[in-house]
Amino acid sequence: NAGVTQTPKFQVLKTGQSMTLQCAQDMNHNSMYWYRQDPGMGLRLIYYSASEGTTDKGEVPNGYNVSRLNKREFSLRLESAAPSQTSVYFCASLRDFRSYEQYFGPGTRLTVT
Amino acid sequence: EDKVVQSPLSLVVHEGDTVTLNCSYEVTNFRSLLWYKQEKKAPTFLFMLTSSGIEKKSGRLSSILDKKELSSILNITATQTGDSAIYLCVNRDDKIIFGKGTRLHILP
Repeated sequence: NAGVTQTPKFQVLKTGQSMTLQCAQDMNHNSMYWYRQDPGMGLRLIYYSASEGTTDKGEVPNGYNVSRLNKREFSLRLESAAPSQTSVYFCASLRDFRSYEQYFGPGTRLTVT
Repeated sequence: EDKVVQSPLSLVVHEGDTVTLNCSYEVTNFRSLLWYKQEKKAPTFLFMLTSSGIEKKSGRLSSILDKKELSSILNITATQTGDSAIYLCVNRDDKIIFGKGTRLHILP
């Protein structure tokens, strides 16, 4: 099992460019999450998908969109990147919405200049 | 508003010392509190504490939940340089709320 995988590992964008961060899990988990982590801020939830076919906003959704493509894949899109979106992005999965332990991907370090 | 507060935000100790990390929470419907360790990359799970499991131990690490004080502590005894990491406290009820973490650095 690869667990949770994310691509790319690193990305540099110019302000206004768009990109999609990919996340996939092979654990047959129902729930998936996107977080961003900034220095001194802990992890903040951007969007989540409690189950295939549903997505909901988290704490900091502005400037992002998500797609739960199927049970395995949950992508995060930045339509028009801004320097404030410079961060490390983590994807995580949970067996189901009532489970406790999240499994995290290795992260994507994004810099917007 | 639900929140999770960790203290201290950073801590530097010498190898062999014992450390105690704190986490307090204010949440509407408590279900569980989790501790994660984050080294260079993704957080990894350490413990989960619930109303029916308020104390956990694994090797040199242990954690206790105080339901009255709405808090939890993570203890690490005989610290080693490999314990250097950010320790995250997470409340899991209907939402998942992370604290800002405690950055622990162990000096050799």
